[in-house]
Amino acid sequence: DAGVIQSPRHEVTEMGQEVTLRCKPISGHNSLFWYRQTMMRGLELLIYFNNNVPIDDSGMPEDRFSAKMPNASFSTLKIQPSEPRDSAVYFCASSYDGVAVYGYTFGSGTRLTVV
Amino acid sequence: DQQVKQNSPSLSVQEGRISILNCDYTNSMFDYFLWYKKYPAEGPTFLISISSIKDKNEDGRFTVFLNKSAKHLSLHIVPSQPGDSAVYFCAASGSARQLTFGSGTQLTVLP
Repeated sequence: DAGVIQSPRHEVTEMGQEVTLRCKPISGHNSLFWYRQTMMRGLELLIYFNNNVPIDDSGMPEDRFSAKMPNASFSTLKIQPSEPRDSAVYFCASSYDGVAVYGYTFGSGTRLTVV
Repeated sequence: DQQVKQNSPSLSVQEGRISILNCDYTNSMFDYFLWYKKYPAEGPTFLISISSIKDKNEDGRFTVFLNKSAKHLSLHIVPSQPGDSAVYFCAASGSARQLTFGSGTQLTVLP
């Protein structure tokens, strides 16, 4: 299994531009999570999908952020318009039924820099 | 407000000695606790977990201790090795089965 695959690995964009981050979860996993890592706040949960349905998006910072999961093998996180304070590493993770006992499997992350 | 706190942003330990990483939580509904390790440019990887019905879980050089009355858990690494140098995240889960993470502790093991 290739694990959770995220793309791109690095993204540099200008303020005001649209940014789309992509994630392919592990086959068979039915829960998908988007996290953001910053120095100040550590790992923050942005949104959680179960069986392709958004369950909890209370962590999404504001209306500029949106996430979709059109099918079990693909999810996107979009920021429009992007701002410098959005600069962070964004992680996607997946699990089976959100079972925390064995943890989530994380992707390698997308480092976003907004200039 | 942070429900899972790691108050030490960094820790340095000599190779061969014990590393102790600490974590505090505020939500008494948490029933599973996990530790993740993260190397630079990689995603966090699961290390060890403990259920709230236990007070200790051991896996090789890694042991996690849980003190429910104090709402405190710790990760012990014995003996510490240079390859253990990484950021360690504490995480907790409750009935919602979502993980809440701490802010991480950078462990540096000095040769």
